[in-house]
Formats: sequence, structure tokens, C-alpha cells
Amino acid sequence: QKEVEQNSGPLSVPEGAIASLNCTYSDRVSQSFFWYRQYSGKSPELIMSIYSNGDKEDGRFTAQLNKASQYVSLLIRDSQPSDSATYLCAVLSGGSYIPTFGRGTSLIVHP
Amino acid sequence: GAGVSQSPRYKVAKRGQDVALRCDPISGHVSLFWYQQALGQGPEFLTYFQNEAQLDKSGLPSDRFFAERPEGSVSTLKIQRTQQEDSAVYLCASSVHRDGTSTDTQYFGPGTRLTVL
Repeated sequence: QKEVEQNSGPLSVPEGAIASLNCTYSDRVSQSFFWYRQYSGKSPELIMSIYSNGDKEDGRFTAQLNKASQYVSLLIRDSQPSDSATYLCAVLSGGSYIPTFGRGTSLIVHP
Repeated sequence: GAGVSQSPRYKVAKRGQDVALRCDPISGHVSLFWYQQALGQGPEFLTYFQNEAQLDKSGLPSDRFFAERPEGSVSTLKIQRTQQEDSAVYLCASSVHRDGTSTDTQYFGPGTRLTVL
């Protein structure tokens, strides 16, 4: 059973702070990792993907992957109230096209 | 270009009714996925198509659930004799599946919120 674990939150941070979202996974052969943002009542929207160990930066977002420890994280710098949403981690094993999603972490950025 | 579209956006059914949910993937996308998302949970995989072939239906919760993609584009998820536990958002996603690698990313439709009374 492939598992993807996320703290459901809510994670509350003040505007301008760094929000750190974490995800752990059980399948050691996982190769592709995705972060989706889902606003309440909306569909998931891809914001970051990462495939190799280390950091990947895109604007205010940084994804960090550590395959040895089986975790992937998402950092959001200079958090804005508009970042308030649920962030879903998804993991894809090598050779598979079916991702496993975590339950998501609710982020609240308060002014 | 146009994204993934789904219809209807909302569906209310009486227990025991049959429902049909439609998904129009992004043009040219080979792979199509159906997910069920309960409140406060992440999407749960239901079934996967590559063109018209249904390669994996291991996530369908019962034989009341049936999906098809006869011409390799539009897909329909059908639920027979709906039950209250079927109430959820049903999401469709498509991906390019360009070269068979697992790096393809999925693009989600807006979902259909099904409420079974």
C-alpha cells in the first residue's frame, strides 16, 4: 500500500512569513513528486513538480526533495492571504502513471 | 487552449438513481484519470484510460461504477443505483503521456459535485 502523509493542519502563518509544508511517502521507488494547490470548492492546480534530490525554486515557491528520507516539502516565501488554500502532495512511482495523493494541508495566511 | 471540462458541475440524485458524469480532456491528451474526492480528503484514484483502453480500474469502489472512453477523447463515469456514500466530488484529469515516462503532469477539470439524497 503506497502511502502519502501530510499534516492536515490548519497551518496558520502571518502575511509575509515563510510557510513550510511537509509530505512523507512510503514507496521507495517513487520518482516524481508534485504539489497542487486547491482553493475551497475548486479543482487542484499544479504549482510545482520535482524529480531529483535538492531544491527547485519557482518564484516564491521552493520544493525540496530528499529521497533518502522519503520526504518532500514546499516552502512559500512572503506568504500572501491569497495563498490560503489546501496544498496537496502527490507522488508517482517509477513506471506508473497513477499518482497517490496525500489528504492535503490547509494553509491560512492571515493579514 | 481550453482546459479539462466536466459536466454537470453539480448533480443531485435520489438514492437509487443512475447518474452519468462527463469529462472532456485537453485535446491531444492520451491519458485520462477519474478521481473521487471526499470532503477534507485528497483525490482517490478510480480509473485510468490510455486513449480508449481502460488500463486500470482498480479504484472503482463497486460494480455500480462504470467508466468508458469509446473514442479516446470524451469519457463518461456512470454510477448505477446511487447510494449516499457516493456523495463526493468527482474529478477528471488528463495528461499528455508524451513518451511514456512518469513525469507527465495531470491537469484537472473543475469537478462534478454529486449529492445523493
